[in-house]
Amino acid sequence: GQQLNQSPQSMFIQEGEDVSMNCTSSSIFNTWLWYKQDPGEGPVLLIALYKAGELTSNGRLTAQFGITRKDSFLNISASIPSDVGIYFCAGQLHGGSQGNLIFGKGTKLSVKP
Amino acid sequence: ETGVTQTPRHLVMGMTNKKSLKCEQHLGHNAMYWYKQSAKKPLELMFVYSLEERVENNSVPSRFSPECPNSSHLFLHLHTLQPEDSALYLCASSQDRSLGYEQFFGPGTRLTVL
Repeated sequence: GQQLNQSPQSMFIQEGEDVSMNCTSSSIFNTWLWYKQDPGEGPVLLIALYKAGELTSNGRLTAQFGITRKDSFLNISASIPSDVGIYFCAGQLHGGSQGNLIFGKGTKLSVKP
Repeated sequence: ETGVTQTPRHLVMGMTNKKSLKCEQHLGHNAMYWYKQSAKKPLELMFVYSLEERVENNSVPSRFSPECPNSSHLFLHLHTLQPEDSALYLCASSQDRSLGYEQFFGPGTRLTVL
């Protein structure tokens, strides 16, 4: 089936650092969504993107819908301890099953010891 | 209650048990979804309901049986599960099933099959 390649798989951050992660696919997407999941909880929607080239911010988070419609990135500026968790990208395929989301495997953010 | 709620949050069951997972959404949405989340795998879509009608069943074994009595409630009935069915089961809802509608997730039920 369709897959999203999300990278990195994991990363360690120090408080105050900027963080960047991305998702790529060989297929064209109409919508990109970014979610964060804390341990023992369901994913929480952070940012939704609907147009190629769109750049959207939510506080310290910024996400972009790639111009080719095959990729998206998420940046977190000036990270804080509560940013730790797993971040998932998800997309709705162009011409795919109506509304169904394809998910990446996630980027696990941890704090540097 | 707001958003999407799921009960129970944790469930341990034997392979011969029958149990049910419940999901309720308080958002006035028309579409509801069941997902399975296993370690090191992307979320797997199991079932989709739109206006209480099942519109998608992604090759899920018959030991999982969904039910959607109305647009606010979704159940997943479990029967003779296997240990490999242990996972986090997530419910989600969206305003509509069409493209462009964001899905909102519940907290999940952590299922352990012994």
